[in-house]
Formats: sequence, structure tokens, C-alpha cells
Amino acid sequence: AQTVTQSQPEMSVQEAETVTLSCTYDTSESDYYLFWYKQPPSRQMILVIRQEAYKQQNATENRFSVNFQKAAKSFSLKISDSQLGDAAMYFCAYWAVAGNTPLVFGKGTRLSVIA
Amino acid sequence: DSGVTQTPKHLITATGQRVTLRCSPRSGDLSVYWYQQSLDQGLQFLIQYYNGEERAKGNILERFSAQQFPDLHSELNLSSLELGDSALYFCASSVVPAAFGSEQFFGPGTRLTVL
Repeated sequence: AQTVTQSQPEMSVQEAETVTLSCTYDTSESDYYLFWYKQPPSRQMILVIRQEAYKQQNATENRFSVNFQKAAKSFSLKISDSQLGDAAMYFCAYWAVAGNTPLVFGKGTRLSVIA
Repeated sequence: DSGVTQTPKHLITATGQRVTLRCSPRSGDLSVYWYQQSLDQGLQFLIQYYNGEERAKGNILERFSAQQFPDLHSELNLSSLELGDSALYFCASSVVPAAFGSEQFFGPGTRLTVL
């Protein structure tokens, strides 16, 4: 079964600095998607960024970018110029194209932003 | 606002009771997913429906059931409630089933408290 591991339960970053959140996953599939979701105190799940496994180029969305290492099964999220509004739980998720499998989530990393 | 609505926002009930959670997907989305998030945990997939039919099943207890109606709204029924069922229940929707790579949009969740 696919698993997603987020080894950092909590992280903190100074406002305007850069922080990287780690995620590793285990799969035997070759075609899949990886996601980072943000869950602020409002508890709403917000998609931050998505990476398709067959694309070698790392995805970017404004201040958010990923480092996707397919061979190492690693998918880290880099947040640049951190803002107070970035404080939230961040969940890494995996989704295999074949087999109609659901999203598999990691347990999350709680990010604090220090003013 | 994702376009996915869930009612009620909060629900407090007693052990042994039965409750129904409701979800209306985004306009045009045929697929609905239900997830459970216990305290400080990632989301656990429960069940998926596509155009009225069950598509995939996750770690859903036998005490729980769901259905998707012809107007595409979905209901999650939880019966013989236990203290451990207290959680945030999310509904998500997508245009087509997950296997085709479409993004899932999450509702605001229903917080269930079992006393």
C-alpha cells in the first residue's frame, strides 16, 4: 500500500525567510500525482501545489515551489518570503492514476511563522 | 470558497445516536469523496461516489454508510456513534473520478462531537 511520510511534525520560520517542508512516499506505481495541501486554522483544505510524476520540471506557484526527486521518492515544499498567513498545517498527499485509489495523506507538518 | 457546501458545520450528539452529514458538490462535479480527520491527524479516505454509484471504499466502518442522490448531493450516515467518531468530516468533489487526474475541491467540513 502507498504511504506518505512527513517527518517534521512542527516547523517554524521567521517572516520573509524561506522554509522547506519534507515529504517522502512509498509506491510501486510509475504514474501518479503529488500534492501539498494547506489547512489554516479555519480547517479549510486548500490545494497549494500539484506535481505530476511524469513531469521532470518542478512545479511552482508564486512563492511555493517543490523539489521532486522521483528516484528518491521525495517531494519537499519550499515556501519563500514566508508570510504570517502561511501559518497552517501542511499535508503532503499522493494519488496513483491506476487502480482508482484515493488520495493518501501524510500526517501533516504544523508551520508557525514568527513576526 | 471552493464551491463545495457541507451542512451542518457543527454537530454535537451522544453516544449511540445516528447522524447524517450532507454535501453538495461544485456545479458540474460528478464525483464526491468523504474523508475523516481525527484530532491532529491527516485525512483518512472513507468512500467515493461517481454519478450516483459507489466507486471506491476506504477505511469506512460498517456503522457508516453513504449515498449519492440523482441531484449529485451526497449524505454520510453515521450510526451507533462512539466517542472515537468525533472528528472533522470533509467532503470533496471533482469533475471526474480521481483516476483521471482531476483536482479535488474540499468543502469546509462538518465537525462532529460525540459526548
